[in-house]
Amino acid sequence: GGIITQTPKFLIGQEGQKLTLKCQQNFNHDTMYWYRQDSGKGLRLIYYSITENDLQKGDLSEGYDASREKKSSFSLTVTSAQKNEMAVFLCASSPLLGGQDTQYFGPGTRLLVL
Amino acid sequence: AQKVTQTQTSISVVEKTTVTMDCVYETRDSSYFLFWYKQTASGEIVFLIRQDSYKKENATVGHYSLNFQKPKSSIGLIITATQIEDSAVYFCAMRNNAGAKLTFGGGTRLTVRP
Repeated sequence: GGIITQTPKFLIGQEGQKLTLKCQQNFNHDTMYWYRQDSGKGLRLIYYSITENDLQKGDLSEGYDASREKKSSFSLTVTSAQKNEMAVFLCASSPLLGGQDTQYFGPGTRLLVL
Repeated sequence: AQKVTQTQTSISVVEKTTVTMDCVYETRDSSYFLFWYKQTASGEIVFLIRQDSYKKENATVGHYSLNFQKPKSSIGLIITATQIEDSAVYFCAMRNNAGAKLTFGGGTRLTVRP
């Protein structure tokens, strides 16, 4: 078994601020993902990474940067927070990139921009 | 492009009964994978069950089973003997054979009442 840890749990930012979210996994999985979930909706892929120092854009990458510093960690940066933005950011990991691989999710970071 | 649709926004059932949640999908790929996830009140997302498109047999795990109707592009989730703890939001998702992207439906909120 393993666990995915996301920090911080809650993030309150100001409009225009650069905000960084962090994710760590100890599954020893190769692939990691960042998703955004808006209230009452499904998840949308922002970025993913298939190995250390790799980055691939998802459907929602505009306005975000990501960094895969090492195999176990994957960071997401909101480059300029939008006023009244409220969402949950979920990190996930999977063993490989194969279609059948199950993705395991972290507990999420809840963002509120004032 | 892939698309996943869950038309039932919410369902309420009495405990110990059986519930079916609908999901239809769109894809041009001949090989793909279908997943169901559960999101609890705390926000935790848990993988439940997977159906591989090339398999005719419906997947079953514990009290979860799938009703896979490939000609209708439909993958329903069936929960038998529901329990109060099954109350959650259920997401259907799909992924093609080669891509990392997991495309999610909008979710169905299940309430199991005594």
